[in-house]
Amino acid sequence: EVQLVESGGGVVRPGGSLRLSCGASGFIFDDYGMSWVRQVPGKGLEWVSGINGKGGTLGYADSVKGRFTISRDNAKNSLFLQMNSLRAEDTALYYCARDGGYSGYIDHWGQGTLVTVSS
Amino acid sequence: DIRMTQSPFSLSASVGDRVTITCRASQSISKFLNWYQQKPGQAPKLLIYAASNLQTGVPSRFTGSGSGTDFTLTISSLQPEDFATYFCQQSYSTPRTFGGGTKVEIK
Repeated sequence: EVQLVESGGGVVRPGGSLRLSCGASGFIFDDYGMSWVRQVPGKGLEWVSGINGKGGTLGYADSVKGRFTISRDNAKNSLFLQMNSLRAEDTALYYCARDGGYSGYIDHWGQGTLVTVSS
Repeated sequence: DIRMTQSPFSLSASVGDRVTITCRASQSISKFLNWYQQKPGQAPKLLIYAASNLQTGVPSRFTGSGSGTDFTLTISSLQPEDFATYFCQQSYSTPRTFGGGTKVEIK
């Protein structure tokens, strides 16, 4: 069974940093691209960033470009999101997600970790 | 960036109704269009990928169609468990943008 478990969320002040982690199990991790998607509670979904199985970055949302960095450690079946220069508008539930196939759809999601940026 | 526009924003329907949700891309995305269902307090769930392919385990009352810029998700006979919010997403290019969502409520 595919499992994705996020951690690292919390409360941080504007301008601060946070590193999110996602532990993956139940599949061959480096066979799959991975993504981070965020959602303000009660609002829509925003794709934040993606990375292919070999660690090549697929891109970032304009709203986080230059501030967030995605990475992965295939030896540890882990995905990361380094978030710097955090802003109030980055407050959201952050989902770790697996890219299911060549066409870039997301076929598995974690339960999310909440990031709150507030003074 | 490719902008995805969903309509309607919300709809009210009864069990057994046929429901159609549309998604329009700001430029052609071929068939790189995916549909997700999200219920309150849960992560999204993949329903349809590559415009018309039913994800394993998803009931056949869900169908997707379209290509280029215009896409539809149809629920042929709405069931109680289908009341949720539906999102489209393009995966033609990054950033892989989502539509704003369509909330399907009970009439």
